[in-house]
Amino acid sequence: DVKVTQSSRYLVKRTGEKVFLECVQDMDHENMFWYRQDPGLGLRLIYFSYDVKMKEKGDIPEGYSVSREKKERFSLILESASTNQTSMYLCASSTSWGVYEQYFGPGTRLTVT
Amino acid sequence: EDKVVQSPLSLVVHEGDTVTLNCSYEVTNFRSLLWYKQEKKAPTFLFMLTSSGIEKKSGRLSSILDKKELFSILNITATQTGDSAVYLCAVSNAGKSTFGDGTTLTVKP
Repeated sequence: DVKVTQSSRYLVKRTGEKVFLECVQDMDHENMFWYRQDPGLGLRLIYFSYDVKMKEKGDIPEGYSVSREKKERFSLILESASTNQTSMYLCASSTSWGVYEQYFGPGTRLTVT
Repeated sequence: EDKVVQSPLSLVVHEGDTVTLNCSYEVTNFRSLLWYKQEKKAPTFLFMLTSSGIEKKSGRLSSILDKKELFSILNITATQTGDSAVYLCAVSNAGKSTFGDGTTLTVKP
């Protein structure tokens, strides 16, 4: 079974702090994704990566950066957390070829106070 | 800009009812349409559709794609309380997916 894990299920941070969210997948997938999910707004893509050290902006990259130094690990960084970044953050991975379904991690509920 | 619209936004039915969830899309370089089920956790994959007119089926759930009219439906027959969830439709474009806002289905006993 594909397993995608995220470093924290719940996180509380203060405004202005630097926040790291980590995601690890164990299926040797090329593609990895970070989404945020908010009520009434669905899943919105923040960044994705199709290879080590490669990254592409999604629909809402402002205020975020990412890092992919190893194939299995994709990190989301909030350089200076703000209250409007309070959200559920979901990481996902998928293969590059054939079937494009994404496998999701359990999510991190981040609260910025 | 790629767009995926789901309807209805929410639906309340009783056990045993049949429901139809809708998904329409406008996407460049369409590769596939995917349905996911999300309970109180991460979305889990249900179906992937790439060809028009071919129904995918899994138990009481089925789905079909119309690439000419740019929509898909997800049917659930004989609904059970365990079907209560948010159902997400996503359209894949070379590995990247655009998601709709989801349909929240509530099945009452």
